[in-house]
Amino acid sequence: DAGVIQSPRHEVTEMGQEVTLRCKPISGHDYLFWYRQTMMRGLELLIYFNNNVPIDDSGMPEDRFSAKMPNASFSTLKIQPSEPRDSAVYFCASSTLGGAEAFFGQGTRLTVV
Amino acid sequence: GQSLEQPSEVTAVEGAIVQINCTYQTSGFYGLSWYQQHDGGAPTFLSYNALDGLEETGRFSSFLSRSDSYGYLLLQELQMKDSASYFCAVRDNTGGFKTIFGAGTRLFVKA
Repeated sequence: DAGVIQSPRHEVTEMGQEVTLRCKPISGHDYLFWYRQTMMRGLELLIYFNNNVPIDDSGMPEDRFSAKMPNASFSTLKIQPSEPRDSAVYFCASSTLGGAEAFFGQGTRLTVV
Repeated sequence: GQSLEQPSEVTAVEGAIVQINCTYQTSGFYGLSWYQQHDGGAPTFLSYNALDGLEETGRFSSFLSRSDSYGYLLLQELQMKDSASYFCAVRDNTGGFKTIFGAGTRLFVKA
């Protein structure tokens, strides 16, 4: 398996634009997590899915953020409209129910100018 | 909610042993994991403890005491390439399984 795949790796956008981050989890993993990492706030859990169903979105900062998982092999995190304070590295990770390990993608470095 | 505490920075010399401590608070504790992250990279899994005791994986060992809500990561025979950030993470089963990360400990290995 190629591991968790995220795209794009880097995104630079202007304030007010819509940003869509994409994630393909490892096949067979039934949990998918979206994290955001900044120097100030560390690694924050934004939302996670189990069997494509959102379980806990309490970490989503605002209504500008939304996430979907239309099927077991694809998830998106959308920010609309984007703001400079959204600049961060966004990681997607997947795991199995009984698995101790969360496998991370390489992340998307988002810069909003 | 959940909270984890670990030191922000640790410095050690090559060849030495270093211990990174982690204390946690959570209502739905399931297990404690450790991850390593190099600058510009993604977190990678190192170890996991669900039961009390020591787990050893090569130069790295991890310990858990559930009664004390405490764990540590032990790195032996330090190498320069071990310079990285180390995160403890609680696997929490409140309302489903999720992994909550601590703020991370930056390890500097000096020659």
